[in-house]
Amino acid sequence: EVQMVESGGGLVQPGGSLRLSCAASGFTSSNYAMTWVRQAAGKGLEWVSSIGGDGTETLYADSVKGRFTISRDNSKNTVHLQMNSLRAEDTAVYYCAKGDGRGWLCDYWGQGTLVTVSS
Amino acid sequence: DIQMTQSPSSLSASVGDRVTITCRASQGIRNDLGWYQQKPGEAPKRLIYAASSLQSGVPSRFSGSGSGTEFTLTISSLQPEDFATYYCLHHNSFPLTFGGGTKVEIK
Repeated sequence: EVQMVESGGGLVQPGGSLRLSCAASGFTSSNYAMTWVRQAAGKGLEWVSSIGGDGTETLYADSVKGRFTISRDNSKNTVHLQMNSLRAEDTAVYYCAKGDGRGWLCDYWGQGTLVTVSS
Repeated sequence: DIQMTQSPSSLSASVGDRVTITCRASQGIRNDLGWYQQKPGEAPKRLIYAASSLQSGVPSRFSGSGSGTEFTLTISSLQPEDFATYYCLHHNSFPLTFGGGTKVEIK
């Protein structure tokens, strides 16, 4: 069974840092792109960042470029999102999602982890 | 960047109704589009990929159509479990962008 479990969310002050992790199981992660998507309370879905299966290709939304870094460790089937210089507008549930093998479109999603940026 | 304009933003419908949701892309995206269903407190669930292919395990009352710039998601006979918010997502180029969502509510 394909499963992604996110962790690392929490309360952080503006300007602070957090590192989110996504533990994947049920598939060979190196064969698939992985993506982070976020959703502020009561709002729609927003793409944040994606990484290719071998980790060499990384892409970011303009809103997080230069502040967030996506990485992966295929030996441990994990994907990370290092978030620096956090702002109030980064407050959201962050979802980890698996690419479907045809490209960047996501098929399976984790349950999400809540990041709250507040003083 | 490609913008995805989804309509309507909300609708009220009854069990058994036929429901259609539309997404328009600001430029052609071939069939690089998926549709997702999200219920409150849950992660999104993929319903359709490649604009018209049904995800395994998804009921056949869901269907997708379109190519280029205009796409539709149709629920042929709305069921109680279908009341949710629906999103389109294009993956033709980066940044990936979602439609604004359509909340389907009970009439």
